[in-house]
Amino acid sequence: KAGVTQTPRYLIKTRGQQVTLSCSPISGHRSVSWYQQTPGQGLQFLFEYFSETQRNKGNFPGRFSGRQFSNSRSEMNVSTLELGDSALYLCASSLSWTGTYEQYFGPGTRLTVT
Amino acid sequence: AQSVAQPEDQVNVAEGNPLTVKCTYSVSGNPYLFWYVQYPNRGLQFLLKYITGDNLVKGSYGFEAEFNKSQTSFHLKKPSALVSDSALYFCAVRDMTGDYKLSFGAGTTVTVRA
Repeated sequence: KAGVTQTPRYLIKTRGQQVTLSCSPISGHRSVSWYQQTPGQGLQFLFEYFSETQRNKGNFPGRFSGRQFSNSRSEMNVSTLELGDSALYLCASSLSWTGTYEQYFGPGTRLTVT
Repeated sequence: AQSVAQPEDQVNVAEGNPLTVKCTYSVSGNPYLFWYVQYPNRGLQFLLKYITGDNLVKGSYGFEAEFNKSQTSFHLKKPSALVSDSALYFCAVRDMTGDYKLSFGAGTTVTVRA
C-alpha cells in the first residue's frame, strides 16, 4: 500500500507570498493532520480533518488554513508568508480522528521563506 | 489540556547496551500514548502505542514501552541498541476525554556509538 505523499518536497518562497502544500493520505485513511516542525519549537499541531470537516485546530494565526477533499486528499495554505514560517511541514493520515489509531507521516515539505 | 515531557534532549549509549528514552505525560482523562521515530530528512514513523490492557507494549524494531499510571510515564526501551537506532524519538499523547488532539514531546536525540 502506498504511503502518505506530500508535494512539493521543497519550496522556496519570498516574504508576503502565499503557498499551498498538498497531501495524499494512505488509501482508506479518512483523517489527515498537519504539523509544523522547527528546531526551536519542535512539532506543532496545525489542524486535523476528517470527512472534509476540520475536527481540531492548533494555535496558529489565521494565515494558516487547510481543507480536505472528498477523496481525503488535503491541502494547507499559508498566506502572507513570514520568515518564521520556514519549517518542515508534515502531513499524517490515520483511519479516524478519534484516538486509538496511529498516524502515518509523509516525508514532509521543506518550506524556506526568504 | 494534555502535555508531554521528554526530560532528556540527548541520550548516548554504546551499541549492545540497553537504551531508555524517557517520557512523562499530563492529561485530565485517560491517555492514549504513542512513540514515533524520525530518521534524518524523513517523516515520523510509528513505533508503538498504549491504548489499554497490558502495561508493557511491544513495537517495531525490538522496541517496547512500559505504561506506568502512577508515575504518568511511558518510557521507551530497547534491550540491546544498534547503531541504526540513532534517530530522533518523539513521545505523544491523546487525551481521550478532551478534544483528541495529539500532543508531541520535544523529542530526544538518540546516538548509539559503535
